[in-house]
Amino acid sequence: EIVLTQSPATLSLSPGERATLSCTASETVNSYLAWYQQKPGQAPRLLIYDTFKRATGTPARFSGSGSGTDFTLTISTLEPEDFAVYYCQQRNSWVTFGGGTKVQIK
Amino acid sequence: QVQLQESGPRLVRPSQTLSLTCTVSGGSISSAGYFWTWIRQHPGKELEWIGYISYSGTPYISPSLESRVALASDTSQNRFSLQLSPVTAADTAFYYCARMFCSGSSCSRGGGFDSWGHGTLVTVSS
Repeated sequence: EIVLTQSPATLSLSPGERATLSCTASETVNSYLAWYQQKPGQAPRLLIYDTFKRATGTPARFSGSGSGTDFTLTISTLEPEDFAVYYCQQRNSWVTFGGGTKVQIK
Repeated sequence: QVQLQESGPRLVRPSQTLSLTCTVSGGSISSAGYFWTWIRQHPGKELEWIGYISYSGTPYISPSLESRVALASDTSQNRFSLQLSPVTAADTAFYYCARMFCSGSSCSRGGGFDSWGHGTLVTVSS
């Protein structure tokens, strides 16, 4: 099973700041990595798939990068609605999710 | 726009069978390029993929759960289902159904879960 490790576990930032979230895979996932946003009491929402492709409705301030085992989700300028938990997910070998990064207001 | 809705018992006794159904509206589960998925989330924890069933009816189940999981689809009712047995308290979780789209022609890798049900909390308790 491919293990995805997300860091940091918690990120404390202010609106307007830049957020950088990391996801490291235990073995290569090629480019088959996605990112999700989850708010309390809601289902996750797909933001990015295949490393860098934005899902329908994903704002341009969200961008994904990386390859192989190391990936990054960047939120260029945090908006109030971006404070949430973010998960990475791979589908190179079966499907696994990372443990999540909570982006909270500083 | 496709919508998914989970239904089924919210309370299941230990050693019994958890059965959930996901009814899809706004799109056909037979449409090529989509896999119909079950994902769970223990309260306050990360997401766990249970498995999915392809648009052609082929199931793919997580190796960690495959001995206890059965997936099926009913194209006449445009719904798909999950059975997990036997259950223990460790199976208490929010259960989500979701649609996965394929990003490549082979559908073997990549893509993402682009539509989700609201989720249902299933508690395993006597």
